[in-house]
Amino acid sequence: NAGVTQTPKFQVLKTGQSMTLQCAQDMNHNSMYWYRQDPGMGLRLIYYSASEGTTDKGEVPNGYNVSRLNKREFSLRLESAAPSQTSVYFCASSRLGTSGKTRETQYFGPGTRLLVL
Amino acid sequence: GQSLEQPSEVTAVEGAIVQINCTYQTSGFYGLSWYQQHDGGAPTFLSYNALDGLEETGRFSSFLSRSDSYGYLLLQELQMKDSASYFCAVRVFNNFNKFYFGSGTKLNVKP
Repeated sequence: NAGVTQTPKFQVLKTGQSMTLQCAQDMNHNSMYWYRQDPGMGLRLIYYSASEGTTDKGEVPNGYNVSRLNKREFSLRLESAAPSQTSVYFCASSRLGTSGKTRETQYFGPGTRLLVL
Repeated sequence: GQSLEQPSEVTAVEGAIVQINCTYQTSGFYGLSWYQQHDGGAPTFLSYNALDGLEETGRFSSFLSRSDSYGYLLLQELQMKDSASYFCAVRVFNNFNKFYFGSGTKLNVKP
């Protein structure tokens, strides 16, 4: 069981370039999330997908798009990168639909460190 | 909106007990979760309180009081490896798929 995997681990972009961050989970989870984490701040939700075929905006969606390709994969796209998007990006998944602690537990990938120059 | 406040940094010595507080303002939520994140690593789930009271998991305990809009994470018998950031998080009623995180508390454990 690999859990949640993310690629790439590191990326440097120039302003205006585009890129896609990939995320996959092998835990058969329904829900998947993209967060960004900036120094001294918590995790801020960019987009989420409650189930295959659905996506919705989180707190900070501007400048990003997402695709829930299938139950396993959830990608995040930056169409025209800006220096303000320099951050660490985490993908997570959870098994909503059950109850209690299992439902509330999110499993995070190792993160993608993105620098936009 | 949702707001979860935590102290930015806490320092304690090895073997001691430390409490990390989380005060929140939210319209309604399922429960309070806690996550640990080591420098350069990913957040990992620690504990969850659906109901008021204390939940114990080994050296870690978490407490919730909905009437006081307050929770805390208690770490006992501190070890150097407990040096990390700790985040509280909630999932709210009006959109059950969204999780909101506090800004995190950096715990420094000194020998």
